This record gives sequence, C-alpha cells and structure tokens, in this order.
Amino acid sequence: NAGVMQNPRHLVRRRGQEARLRCSPMKGHSHVYWYRQLPEEGLKFMVYLQKENIIDESGMPKERFSAEFPKEGPSILRIQQVVRGDSAAYFCASSRGQGSSGNTIYFGEGSWLTVV
Amino acid sequence: DQQVKQNSPSLSVQEGRISILNCDYTNSMFDYFLWYKKYPAEGPTFLISISSIKDKNEDGRFTVFLNKSAKHLSLHIVPSQPGDSAVYFCAASVSGNEKLTFGTGTRLTIIP
Repeated sequence: NAGVMQNPRHLVRRRGQEARLRCSPMKGHSHVYWYRQLPEEGLKFMVYLQKENIIDESGMPKERFSAEFPKEGPSILRIQQVVRGDSAAYFCASSRGQGSSGNTIYFGEGSWLTVV
Repeated sequence: DQQVKQNSPSLSVQEGRISILNCDYTNSMFDYFLWYKKYPAEGPTFLISISSIKDKNEDGRFTVFLNKSAKHLSLHIVPSQPGDSAVYFCAASVSGNEKLTFGTGTRLTIIP
C-alpha cells in the first residue's frame, strides 16, 4: 500500500513564477491536509480538504495561495507569484476519516520549494 | 504565539538508556496530543497519541504521559536505540478541529 505521494520532491522557482505541488493521498483516504515547515520551525497548518471541498483554510495566506482536491486526481497546492519567503518544505498528509476522531494522519515526504 | 512548546532543541542519550522528550502547551482547549518522528528530508511519521481522558499511553518502547493540570506531556523511549536518532515533534488538537498545532521539535541523538 503506497504511502502519501508528493511531487515534485524539489522545485526551484524564480520570484514571480507559479509553483504547483501535487499530493496523492493513501488509497482509501478522502481527507487531505497541507502543512508548511519554514527553516528551524515546526510544521504549520495550512488547509484541510475533503474531496472537492475546502473544509478549513484558516492557515492559508490570504493572497497567492490556493488549494484544491478534485473528484479525480491529486490534491494541488498552488502558489502564484512566489516570493523568497515562500521557500519552505510543504507537507501533505491524508487520513481515512477525521484525525480528530482518532484516525491516524499519515504524512508524505514533502516538497521542498526554493525561490531564487 | 507558540501554543505548543518544546523547549529543548536537542537531547543526547546513551544507547540503552531512557530518552525523555518534553512538551508544554498553553491552550486549555487541546484534548488530543500526538508525537511524530522525523528524519531529514522525510515527512513526519506518527508514533503515539493520547487523549485528554487518559494520563498515560504505552506502545512498545514508547510511552506518552499527560499532565493536564501542568499542561505538560512527555514521551519516554526505553531502551533508546541508534535508529531513534531523529527530530521529534509534539502536536496537539481540539476535538472536532482537524488542525494540528506542532511544536518546534527536539533533535534526539542516541550515542552508541
């Protein structure tokens, strides 16, 4: 059973370009989460999605960032007009049901974004 | 405002001894706590969790203790093994809310 798959693992973008990070949850998982880890910091919650629905986006920056989890295909975290401060590791996670109900949340290996 | 704090950035322990990692929280609404282990360039791996209705949960070499009055939890690893060398993150959540709030991590080094 494959784990949470993220790609690309490493992405370099120039300031002003767009970054798209993809996440395929574990088989049978319909709950997806995105977290960001800045250097020397812990992981920060960004957004929680279920199929086709954004449930909680309280951790998403108000501008330039968006996320989706379509009916078919992976979840996408999109960052428009990237700036140097967006350089971070972006982790996707998935669970079978709600994590708050005791379902284990499994993390992917992360996508490292570097903005030059 | 750091609601989950891991005040020790690093810890070194002799192989075979007990490793104790500590975590403090400020939000009294937190009622579910987790520990994750992370190797460099990898994602966090779930280790163990505890609900606020318990004060202890054990899984093999790993035991988590929760002191609600002190808003403190700890992870005990015994005996410590070289493969335990990693960064350990404490995380907390509120029932019904899917957001996990992470601490900044403690780097554990097991000395052979």
